[in-house]
Amino acid sequence: GQQVMQIPQYQHVQEGEDFTTYCNSSTTLSNIQWYKQRPGGHPVFLIQLVKSGEVKKQKRLTFQFGEAKKNSSLHITATQTTDVGTYFCAGVTGFQKLVFGTGTRLLVSP
Amino acid sequence: GAVVSQHPSRVICKSGTSVKIECRSLDFQATTMFWYRQFPKKSLMLMATSNEGSKATYEQGVEKDKFLINHASLTLSTLTVTSAHPEDSSFYICSADGPDTQYFGPGTRLTVL
Repeated sequence: GQQVMQIPQYQHVQEGEDFTTYCNSSTTLSNIQWYKQRPGGHPVFLIQLVKSGEVKKQKRLTFQFGEAKKNSSLHITATQTTDVGTYFCAGVTGFQKLVFGTGTRLLVSP
Repeated sequence: GAVVSQHPSRVICKSGTSVKIECRSLDFQATTMFWYRQFPKKSLMLMATSNEGSKATYEQGVEKDKFLINHASLTLSTLTVTSAHPEDSSFYICSADGPDTQYFGPGTRLTVL
């Protein structure tokens, strides 16, 4: 079945450092979404990318969708302690189902 | 924005009992709702797609007789874990297909003793 992998699994950075997580799907996606889940919480929708090669920014977060619509990345500039959590990409299939990536857990030390 | 609630947020039950979890869309109608399961430090796994007024569609490997889903109205879907066992302990999260995307509930943590 369809698989969505993310790397790295875990990253620990110092506050102020940049962070990037990469998402790769085994199949072409109609669109991709990104979520953030804080420890003990539920996934919170961050953004959706639809077009091939699309780049979107939300303050310090930059999201990119690959040309082949099979990969994506999330880059955080100058991390803050509030960025702590697990970041999931989720690929949307033709049936509007979400296939979640394996997630990247981010820890930010002050 | 669109809000989805789940009840209960936490439940502890004895092995062999059944547990019902409710998922409600509070300010929008959802023809389709989804049920996910998440193990500690793992990703969300889609269990089933719940369609209002029809039978749920289960993902491969999910026992439909074990996880009963009912979507009786446009704002409510329920998941019943029947004859629960310790291995059913997990975080169950629902989502509802809303205006722009799926909106997730806060999750229900089930512990089976």
